[in-house]
Amino acid sequence: SQTIHQWPATLVQPVGSPLSLECTVEGTSNPNLYWYRQAAGRGLQLLFYSVGIGQISSEVPQNLSASRPQDRQFILSSKKLLLSDSGFYLCAWSVGAGGNSPLHFGNGTRLTVT
Amino acid sequence: AQTVTQSQPEMSVQEAETVTLSCTYDTSENNYYLFWYKQPPSRQMILVIRQEAYKQQNATENRFSVNFQKAAKSFSLKISDSQLGDTAMYFCALNPYNTDKLIFGTGTRLQVFP
Repeated sequence: SQTIHQWPATLVQPVGSPLSLECTVEGTSNPNLYWYRQAAGRGLQLLFYSVGIGQISSEVPQNLSASRPQDRQFILSSKKLLLSDSGFYLCAWSVGAGGNSPLHFGNGTRLTVT
Repeated sequence: AQTVTQSQPEMSVQEAETVTLSCTYDTSENNYYLFWYKQPPSRQMILVIRQEAYKQQNATENRFSVNFQKAAKSFSLKISDSQLGDTAMYFCALNPYNTDKLIFGTGTRLQVFP
């Protein structure tokens, strides 16, 4: 069966510090991978998605970047965190495009920038 | 632009009763998928139900069913025999066919009272 691992679960970082959140998927090949952010009291905002190794699409210009160094690994990074980067970050995967396969989410990372 | 609107920020229902959560969307695509996701206090996103736009029959999953009105671009979720475990944020989402992006609404917080 397929599983998705996302870590860390919680993170408190000072403004200006770097960030690295990691997500890995097991039990499937060539998944579509996604990073979403959920701000307090708001819906999910798509940040990045990837359909293959090294292929990253950015949805919102921001302080963050994403990379996919391996087929089932997706990393969200920042060189210098801002207060506005605080939120709940969710990694997700799917197989195929167009909604034929629903998204499967990780447990999320709560990031607090102080 | 493709959008998803959930006009009810909060809803409440008594245990064993029925509740309906509203969702409207806007897309110029003719083929797409619609989803309802549940996010309990644990923050794990869980797929509740999925509807394919080309299917006229409303999807059902046990106590969960949808009322899909394609012409009106409406996709409401009905929860029958509500249980305490149904307490969660509920997100409506749209995925146009042959895209890799899921567009979420802002969510409805449902509280089930004993």
